[in-house]
Parts: sequence; structure tokens; C-alpha cells
Amino acid sequence: QVQLVESGGGVVQPGRSLRLSCGASGFTFTGFGMHWVRQAPGKGLEWVAVISYDAFNTYYADSVRGRFTISRDNSKNTLYLQLNSLRAEDTAVYYCAKDLGGNLSDAFDIWGRGTMVTVSS
Amino acid sequence: DIVMTQSPATLSVSPGERATLSCRASQSVSSDLAWYQEKPGQAPRLLIYGASTRATGIPVRFSGSGSGTEFTLTISSLQSEDFAVYYCQQYNAWPPLYTFGQGTKLEIK
Repeated sequence: QVQLVESGGGVVQPGRSLRLSCGASGFTFTGFGMHWVRQAPGKGLEWVAVISYDAFNTYYADSVRGRFTISRDNSKNTLYLQLNSLRAEDTAVYYCAKDLGGNLSDAFDIWGRGTMVTVSS
Repeated sequence: DIVMTQSPATLSVSPGERATLSCRASQSVSSDLAWYQEKPGQAPRLLIYGASTRATGIPVRFSGSGSGTEFTLTISSLQSEDFAVYYCQQYNAWPPLYTFGQGTKLEIK
């Protein structure tokens, strides 16, 4: 079935780095843009970044631009998020999500269950 | 940036009754509006996109309406499994900058 599974979360000290992964199955990964969305404890959803189906285009929220990098390996059906210079306010559950369409102007129709990132000394 | 404001923050409704949730955009987003349902420990689920189109597998008791800056999600007859947090989201901005509302918690009265 259609599925997204995140991994790579954990506890990390401020200023350090972490790489999250999201494995996709059950759909044509190469046909869709992919997103990362996060949710801080007790808070709402915050969009983080998007990458086009061909990896040519990437866009970021102001809160992470310059620190986080989204990428994808279409040969492995996997999405990544490199988190650098982590701050306490980056503590959140990180979800990957699939774009409904192919043009980055659509809703997110498939979500993973998330991976927790805790930034703490 | 486009700011999405949901109301009320919490809505208490009895099972079998109708629930109406509102979402307002700080500027027009045309019909580029989605609604999501979130339950504890589960992935968010897409309910409505294009302001009024039900996503695959979503029951007909969920309906969306509106365009421009004012949107509504209606659940016609609440079932026990519908008590959750609901978010609206705009995807109209270009370059892409997707924003969510702060959520409405739908609780059992």
C-alpha cells in the first residue's frame, strides 16, 4: 500500500547536525514533489521544505532556510532532510508528506507517522 | 506571508450533531485550501482539497466550502471517530510557502 516511513530522529545537542530519511512505497515516487512538515510539542503543523519531483527545485520556510537541506534519491525512493546548526526550537516531530499533484501547488495527500527530533544539551 | 486563522479553537459537539469549523486567510487563496484531520499518534489525514473536493476514501459527511478568504469544514453527523484536531492549509502562495491554521480541537460534548 501507499506508505511513507520516516527515520533518523533522536536527541541531539544544540549546534549539532542530524539527517532524517523518509522511505516511500506504493506509488511512483519520481512523479511527485515531497515535503517535510514539523510539529513542536503541543503546537500546530509547520511546513518546513519542499522538493520537486526531479530535485531541480527546492523551497524552504524562513525559519530553516540556510540551516536545513532537503534532497531526494529517486533511485532509492527516499527523501532526506539534513538538519544543521540545530536549535532548541527545532524540537518537533518531523513528518514527510507527498504532494497530491506534480506542480508543488497542491495539498499533501499521504503522510508518514513522523520521527521525533529533540534538541537539548 | 499568508496567515490562516481558524475558529473556534475548541468546539464541543454531541455525537450525531453537526459541526462547523471556520478558516480565514489574510489574503485571497482562491480555492487552494485543504483540511486535515489529526489524531494522537497518527499521521495527519487529508480530508478536503480545492476547498470542496473530498480526498480518496473520505466519508460524505465531511464537506468543505468557500473561496477567497473564508472557508468552512462541515461534518454533518458526528461519529465517535471524528473527534480530533482539524487544520486548514493554504497552498496558493508562490514561490511555495504553505501555511497552516493553528487548529480546531473538536471534542465530545
